Amino acid sequence: GEEVAQTPKHLVRGEGQKAKLYCAPIKGHSYVFWYQQVLKNEFKFLISFQNENVFDETGMPKERFSAKCLPNSPCSLEIQATKLEDSAVYFCASSRRLMAGVYEQYFGPGTRLTVT
Amino acid sequence: KNEVEQSPQNLTAQEGEFITINCSYSVGISALHWLQQHPGGGIVSLFMLSSGKKKHGRLIATINIQEKHSSLHITASHPRDSAVYICAAPSGGGGADGLTFGKGTHLIIQP
Repeated sequence: GEEVAQTPKHLVRGEGQKAKLYCAPIKGHSYVFWYQQVLKNEFKFLISFQNENVFDETGMPKERFSAKCLPNSPCSLEIQATKLEDSAVYFCASSRRLMAGVYEQYFGPGTRLTVT
Repeated sequence: KNEVEQSPQNLTAQEGEFITINCSYSVGISALHWLQQHPGGGIVSLFMLSSGKKKHGRLIATINIQEKHSSLHITASHPRDSAVYICAAPSGGGGADGLTFGKGTHLIIQP
């Protein structure tokens, strides 16, 4: 498709429960990024993939967070044993190479995770 | 890692005014993104630019790669331009890197 799709739109989990978020990148885009927006405009990069391979995971919390991009499936971001501080909007973006060194990122609508 | 600074953080202006939002970054980059986020939360990509100037309707974005500085201008501002404007740069400078975001400029245009 021509848009990055994210599901679900909203997700409510009790503390300690698992949360799983999905992202379908734009067809033909080889990079996928996950970002977390906690308070107002505080965005944090979590992880990126080049096709199904992890490209950069320096922003991923080592515990509880995991992500995958498998062939012919939406990418996923999973949080085990959610905590109140995980409440945020999670954005997925995909990108393609426009020219040498230049990649344009397209953002999905986000998933709002509320941990109660 | 790139550090991205934006100013001002908040801006209130009257309809019709010319608006300027500034962004500076610390690591040389291949391209810079300007994004818009409305109260509903969705992100719209306004511009990605690697040099010079781009124009889309009443919005103009400029970048000076040597000075590591970019500006977003809105001409003839309108209340519907009220939103948060965010600049973002590749964290390591490379185009395939994750983005580092500025803290955003909360713009309110009053009728």
